[in-house]
Parts: sequence; C-alpha cells; structure tokens
Amino acid sequence: EDQVTQSPEALRLQEGESSSLNCSYTVSGLRGLFWYRQDPGKGPEFLFTLYSAGEEKEKERLKATLTKKESFLHITAPKPEDSATYLCAVHLQGGSEKLVFGKGMKLTVNP
Amino acid sequence: DAGVIQSPRHEVTEMGQEVTLRCKPISGHNSLFWYRQTMMRGLELLIYFNNNVPIDDSGMPEDRFSAKMPNASFSTLKIQPSEPRDSAVYFCASSLWTGVGQPQHFGDGTRLSIL
Repeated sequence: EDQVTQSPEALRLQEGESSSLNCSYTVSGLRGLFWYRQDPGKGPEFLFTLYSAGEEKEKERLKATLTKKESFLHITAPKPEDSATYLCAVHLQGGSEKLVFGKGMKLTVNP
Repeated sequence: DAGVIQSPRHEVTEMGQEVTLRCKPISGHNSLFWYRQTMMRGLELLIYFNNNVPIDDSGMPEDRFSAKMPNASFSTLKIQPSEPRDSAVYFCASSLWTGVGQPQHFGDGTRLSIL
C-alpha cells in the first residue's frame, strides 16, 4: 500500500533556530512530490513540486530536497510567521491525478 | 485572480438531514477534487473530476455521499442522510491537468458539524 509519513508530528522552534521536516514515502512509483503549507481555518497552499532525486527548490526561508525515499523541508532562521502545518503529498505513477497526503507536521516558531 | 470558492464556510445540522457543499473552481482549470480532512485520518481524496467527468470515486465512503459537476465552473458534494461521523472539514481543489505534476489549488473548506 502506498504510504506517506511525516515526522515529527509537531515541532517547536525559537525564532532563528533552523531545522528540517521529513517526509518519507513508500510508493509503487513516484511522478512528483508536493509540499503545502496550511494555516488554521484555511486550505493548503502550494509551496513546491519536486520530480526527481537530487532536485532542490527554494522559496524565502524554505528549501525542499528529494531523494529516492524521502523529502526534506529545510527551514532556515524561521520567523513566527512560518508557524503553520506543513503537508507533503505524492503523485503516483500511472494516469491518475490522485495525490496521497501525509498527515502533516505542525510547526510553531516562538518569538 | 479568484481562487477556489467554497460555500458555505460552516454548516451545522442535525443527523439525518441532507447537506450540500458547493465549489467553484479556478477559471480555466479542468480537474476538480473533493477532499475530507480529519485529525485522525488527515486529508483524504473522496472523488475527482476531469473535464466534468468523474474519474475516481473510490474514496467516497458510502452511498450516502454523491458528487456532481454539471459544468466547468460548479460542483456539489451531497450527503444524504448525514451522520455525526461525517463531521469534518471538506475541501475542494482544482488544477490544470497537463499530464504531469500540476499542483492542486485548494479552497478554504467547509467545516461541517453533524449533531
């Protein structure tokens, strides 16, 4: 069965304290991996798509990387406004548009 | 540009009542997705449409759930009769499907409470 696991489930950081979020996947074939950010009471907001091992994408304080078994979302010098739940999702091989989501990781950045 | 628009934002109703959730996708997008989010199970795909045609409804939990997309700018998700275990946040998302890896864009959801 295709599975996406995010760890840790929750993370508290002090402002400026860099860290990484992990998304590991066990799937039959990967066409792409997506990262989303979700604020309370809002829908997930698209951040990045990664297609192949070794690929990296950056946006402000966030950098996403991909290997054959996992993806990392690195947060450099986070600010309180980076507090949110971060979701990863995989797009499987085949013709389906279906995404399989992890359960998310709640990040809290204290000032 | 207007994003995905969902209505209502909140719905509270009693068990056994019919519930209809509505979604307007982003103009020009050709795929529409309905998801359900709970603490226990996370974000789960219920059904998706491509060019207004249902493609995969394997995530629809029971016959009490039905979805329609009568045109490219409107979709509904209906629950009849509703049960307390249907309480969740329901999201609609849309994308421009070109064959590979286009992101899905989400609305802000409908928070449904069945008493």
